[in-house]
Amino acid sequence: EVQLVESGGGLVQPGRSLRLSCAASGFTFDDYAMHWVRQPPGKGLEWVSGISWNTISIGYAGSVKGRFTISRDNAKNSLYLQLNSLRPEDTALYYCVKSITSARASSSFDHWGQGTLVTVSS
Amino acid sequence: QSVLTQPPSVSAAAGQKVTISCSGSSSNIGSNFVSWYQHLPGTAPKLLIYDNNKRPSGIPDRFSGSKSGTSATLGITGLQTGDEADYYCGTWDSSLITDVVFGGGTKLTVL
Repeated sequence: EVQLVESGGGLVQPGRSLRLSCAASGFTFDDYAMHWVRQPPGKGLEWVSGISWNTISIGYAGSVKGRFTISRDNAKNSLYLQLNSLRPEDTALYYCVKSITSARASSSFDHWGQGTLVTVSS
Repeated sequence: QSVLTQPPSVSAAAGQKVTISCSGSSSNIGSNFVSWYQHLPGTAPKLLIYDNNKRPSGIPDRFSGSKSGTSATLGITGLQTGDEADYYCGTWDSSLITDVVFGGGTKLTVL
């Protein structure tokens, strides 16, 4: 059974940093691209960042480019998202998401974690 | 303001059929595959349709997808109360501004 378990969320002040982690199991992690998708309270889904199976191809949403960094450790079956210079508008439930392909260029995500909540407030 | 446009809400009676539209542009829907997701409150989103019209294993054939030009449609037949959820379309965007774009979501109410 595929499992994606996020951790690292919490309450943080504007301008500070946070690191999200996602522990994956139940599938061959390094065969698939992985992404982060977030959902602000009361709003819809917003894609944040994606990384190919071999880390060569990485992409970010314009709203987080230059502030967030995605990475993965295939040896540890783990996905990460470093969130720097956080803003109140970054407040959201952050989902770790598995792609159906190894390449980054797909919008088809067949497994989602339960999410970790990031709240940016003073 | 979402890149893909969906109706905020749709409703239909149990047992009936409903369609949800998703409108985009040549840089997203017009040149890439479309996916559809079902999001029940308090749960993780579920992939219903990928590559415009394919269903992952375990998704009943009551759910269908189609695409024409820069628009896509999700169809649900034999509506059940358990289908009440938010539905999102998503696709790759070739504009280089972002990678994946989602619609704003459509709330389905089963009467």
